[in-house]
Amino acid sequence: EPEVTQTPSHQVTQMGQEVILRCVPISNHLYFYWYRQILGQKVEFLVSFYNNEISEKSEIFDDQFSVERPDGSNFTLKIRSTKLEDSAMYFCASSEGAPSKQFFGPGTRLTVL
Amino acid sequence: RKEVEQDPGPFNVPEGATVAFNCTYSNSASQSFFWYRQDCRKEPKLLMSVYSSGNEDGRFTAQLNRASQYISLLIRDSKLSDSATYLCVVLTSGTYKYIFGTGTRLKVLA
Repeated sequence: EPEVTQTPSHQVTQMGQEVILRCVPISNHLYFYWYRQILGQKVEFLVSFYNNEISEKSEIFDDQFSVERPDGSNFTLKIRSTKLEDSAMYFCASSEGAPSKQFFGPGTRLTVL
Repeated sequence: RKEVEQDPGPFNVPEGATVAFNCTYSNSASQSFFWYRQDCRKEPKLLMSVYSSGNEDGRFTAQLNRASQYISLLIRDSKLSDSATYLCVVLTSGTYKYIFGTGTRLKVLA
């Protein structure tokens, strides 16, 4: 069964450093998403991406965040200058259409020291 | 009022029991509804979509009440492997983003 994959599974970084989280969505899906989950809290939407542009973003997704689909398979989330409060699990998801069921990757645990 | 509200639990039930969770949502423009399951420190996994007419998948039954703005999940004949957090998810018309509830923890006891 096709699945969303994410790398790395765990990323440790120093405050102020840039990080790039990578995702490979399911191959025939057209919509891509990033969510985050701070430990002990609910899953929160960050951004959706379709046809090579952002279709929607939350207030969390400020100028420090950016997304890119650099090639036909990868979908990346970049945080330019990480803060302690960026420590969370980051989930990538994809869907065939919108609205449609979203399928989540296993997540990247980001720890900012 | 929170956009999506769930009782956090935990619900501790014996194996074989029937358990039900409810979830309420505040936005009447919500159009699609889902139940996801999340194991500790793992990703949300789709359990089932929720339709107005109600739908069943094996031991799991989901219901939607648009008038009262709540959805429910019923699990019959609980198994130890059903122990997880159950996430209520709502998608509002005209948006792409899932709105998650905080989840309801279920522990099925031997």
